[in-house]
Amino acid sequence: DGGITQSPKYLFRKEGQNVTLSCEQNLNHDAMYWYRQDPGQGLRLIYYSQIVNDFQKGDIAEGYSVSREKKESFPLTVTSAQKNPTAFYLCASRHPGMWVNEQFFGPGTRLTVL
Amino acid sequence: AQKVTQAQTEISVVEKEDVTLDCVYETRDTTYYLFWYKQPPSGELVFLIRRNSFDEQNEISGRYSWNFQKSTSSFNFTITASQVVDSAVYFCALSGGFQGAQKLVFGQGTRLTINP
Repeated sequence: DGGITQSPKYLFRKEGQNVTLSCEQNLNHDAMYWYRQDPGQGLRLIYYSQIVNDFQKGDIAEGYSVSREKKESFPLTVTSAQKNPTAFYLCASRHPGMWVNEQFFGPGTRLTVL
Repeated sequence: AQKVTQAQTEISVVEKEDVTLDCVYETRDTTYYLFWYKQPPSGELVFLIRRNSFDEQNEISGRYSWNFQKSTSSFNFTITASQVVDSAVYFCALSGGFQGAQKLVFGQGTRLTINP
């Protein structure tokens, strides 16, 4: 089945540690996105990538880093510089075309900093 | 700047009632796209509908219907004869233009609870 997988589902981190969230898609989509969701709020864009080896900062990129070495993969690293990393993280992908297409989302990773 | 406002933070109704979720947007783009997503308790966002700015026709899909009015910058979502399985957080989102990253701007979401 085609789709987006994120792992792990739950992640616990001690303060001062970096942690990497995985996002893999087999939809053959070029564009991928990372969002952060805080309780009672909408999604905010962290980073996005339209093509392999290229990515751009979103609205809240500080304290995060990404890589896009393969079309299928777009991992997100939450660094110790992120002041308040506890949140729900969602990865999405989209097949770019002339007309805007919807983004498809993974199941999310819930990160808790202890 | 683009903005999406979902003024209803939470809505609670009894099963079989009709319910409308409001969405108001702001954009300077002449071409833009509007979306609705459903987020059940599992957390994954599920795509429901996309509408472009040139198409103001309302759409009906089963118990779901959408009313797009450019004059009031609104894209409201109605569930008819609601069911417990409709309980979720619903997000309205906006994206501008044909090209580029077509980033989505989300509203804050409306938590809908359908009581049996």
